[in-house]
Amino acid sequence: EIQLQESGPGLVKPSQSLSLTCSVTGYTITSGYDWSWIRKFPGNKMEWMGYISYSGSTNYNPSLKSRISITRDTSKNQFFLQLNSVTTEDTATYYCARSTVVTDYWGQGVMVTVSS
Amino acid sequence: DVQMTQSPSNLAASPGESVSINCKASKSISKYLAWYQQKPGKANKLLIYSGSTLQSGTPSRFSGSGSGTDFTLTIRNLEPEDFGLYYCQQHNEYPPTFGAGTKLELK
Repeated sequence: EIQLQESGPGLVKPSQSLSLTCSVTGYTITSGYDWSWIRKFPGNKMEWMGYISYSGSTNYNPSLKSRISITRDTSKNQFFLQLNSVTTEDTATYYCARSTVVTDYWGQGVMVTVSS
Repeated sequence: DVQMTQSPSNLAASPGESVSINCKASKSISKYLAWYQQKPGKANKLLIYSGSTLQSGTPSRFSGSGSGTDFTLTIRNLEPEDFGLYYCQQHNEYPPTFGAGTKLELK
């Protein structure tokens, strides 16, 4: 069974970087698919942030392009999100997921609050 | 980006009833619309993609219809486990964009 699990700090200070890890079990991230980050803001708005493909290429939402980086560690079957220069507007629940153009497996999400 | 307008925001129904949720795209997305279910403490579930194709494991009481800009998710004979939050998402072009969600509650 494919499972994804997010981990990382639940509280980040404004202007700092948000860093999250997604650990994948049951599927090797280099075997196929895109490995995505999606977030849900308070009030329920959802935003696709970007992905790293099985081959290592990346695709980011233009709204985040200057602040986001998605990388991976294939030896650990993990991929990572880094979002720089965060503000309170980045407070959200962050999900990692397996995607093609639709997302068939999701993590349970990790809530991140940006606050001083 | 393609804007997705989802309605209604809230919906109350009883087990056994049928409900419909609508999603309208700001431009044509052909048939490329997905529906997801979200419930507290559970991973989000892909229900339908490409407008009407049921994801493996989705019960047949769920159906999707539409093309172009207007789409509908219909749930027939509601079961207690169907109550939760539903999202539409266009998968015609990047970036994928979501509707604002519909909360389906028990009446």
